[in-house]
Amino acid sequence: AQKVTQAQTEISVVEKEDVTLDCVYETRDTTYYLFWYKQPPSGELVFLIRRNSFDEQNEISGRYSWNFQKSTSSFNFTITASQVVDSAVYFCALSGGSNYKLTFGKGTLLTVNP
Amino acid sequence: GAVVSQHPSRVICKSGTSVKIECRSLDFQATTMFWYRQFPKQSLMLMATSNEGSKATYEQGVEKDKFLINHASLTLSTLTVTSAHPEDSSFYICSARVGLDQPQHFGDGTRLSIL
Repeated sequence: AQKVTQAQTEISVVEKEDVTLDCVYETRDTTYYLFWYKQPPSGELVFLIRRNSFDEQNEISGRYSWNFQKSTSSFNFTITASQVVDSAVYFCALSGGSNYKLTFGKGTLLTVNP
Repeated sequence: GAVVSQHPSRVICKSGTSVKIECRSLDFQATTMFWYRQFPKQSLMLMATSNEGSKATYEQGVEKDKFLINHASLTLSTLTVTSAHPEDSSFYICSARVGLDQPQHFGDGTRLSIL
């Protein structure tokens, strides 16, 4: 069975601070994908990144960066110089197995205060 | 590309009403569509998986007679909440994907409120 754990339920930072959102996953599959989604108060899910299990290269996209470490089954997400518009719930998700269904973590509510 | 349109975005109706939610892939053909439910401050829970032309596969604990899913074409899936009651009030989100290991693209969700 797949499992995604986001231990941080809520995080509050002040604008311009860096913040890291943790994600730990469990799976028996050798081939799988990891995702991060952003859900602003309006509710829609915004896709941020997809990573496959064979690609452990870290990725940077503007103020966002991701650190994938298979050795610790973690896929952490860092926002550098946070902004108020980054306030949202962030979900980490995993897909794999025979049907590649998505398993979501419980989400982390990030509040960036001005 | 890969746009999924979900309608309506919000529904408010009386208890006992049946409500239909549409999910369309606008610029791609979706072999599989998914329906999720999200309660306030909680994560997304998969309700069912539907493949075009076949019966939906429901997750454990989801009543198939309550939540009717039809996937009649490669671009359209519908979820009908039959005889809705206040406890069915929730945020429903659909997603669609092209192939087995391809990413899911999400609609903007439907907020359902049953009075």
